[in-house]
Amino acid sequence: DTAVSQTPKYLVTQMGNDKSIKCEQNLGHDTMYWYKQDSKKFLKIMFSYNNKELIINETVPNRFSPKSPDKAHLNLHINSLELGDSAVYFCASSRRQGGERREKLFFGSGTQLSVL
Amino acid sequence: AQTVTQSQPEMSVQEAETVTLSCTYDTSESDYYLFWYKQPPSRQMILVIRQEAYKQQNATENRFSVNFQKAAKSFSLKISDSQLGDAAMYFCAYGGTGGGNKLTFGTGTQLKVEL
Repeated sequence: DTAVSQTPKYLVTQMGNDKSIKCEQNLGHDTMYWYKQDSKKFLKIMFSYNNKELIINETVPNRFSPKSPDKAHLNLHINSLELGDSAVYFCASSRRQGGERREKLFFGSGTQLSVL
Repeated sequence: AQTVTQSQPEMSVQEAETVTLSCTYDTSESDYYLFWYKQPPSRQMILVIRQEAYKQQNATENRFSVNFQKAAKSFSLKISDSQLGDAAMYFCAYGGTGGGNKLTFGTGTQLKVEL
């Protein structure tokens, strides 16, 4: 049973296309995230949702739009894909306990996006 | 803003030997958490160890231990009895007590384990 699953694992597409990455967690967590890992392996947060509410929105182009239909799902839609969007996108989840405690993040296996 | 620095892009260790990976961070917060994550070639991000800043005792997990120096803002990872399966990219990460549980990652250290 995969704790945090994201699909697809690989995504190859042309510039200008619109694509979505889906993420689901079965851990009962209430907070989900999207992180981007660039070609130099640097990981940076993009978005975070808690109970379907957006709580972190880093400096990300408007072409990226997260959507959380419920606590267990956080999808990422990307419009008008650009070459620079090529990266590995990780979904993650955690459980918020006692306010802002630092629960560990559980990561999905990543989606490698290649924009040609 | 918090920053995390890993000054060793690559490290090598002989099997069964001990290696230490360095990490320093910058913060004005007094309460926070620190993590080491491992990313093998499979790409999966795996939590290795977690340290709570208010605890003076260094965290340990089997062959993995940390040297947490709060005043120096240093958080190094020691891997004892290195195994081939330890070969991976290791990321140090900082989690403050505000900001929605965001983790700030270092640039990573690629660890090679040699026979």
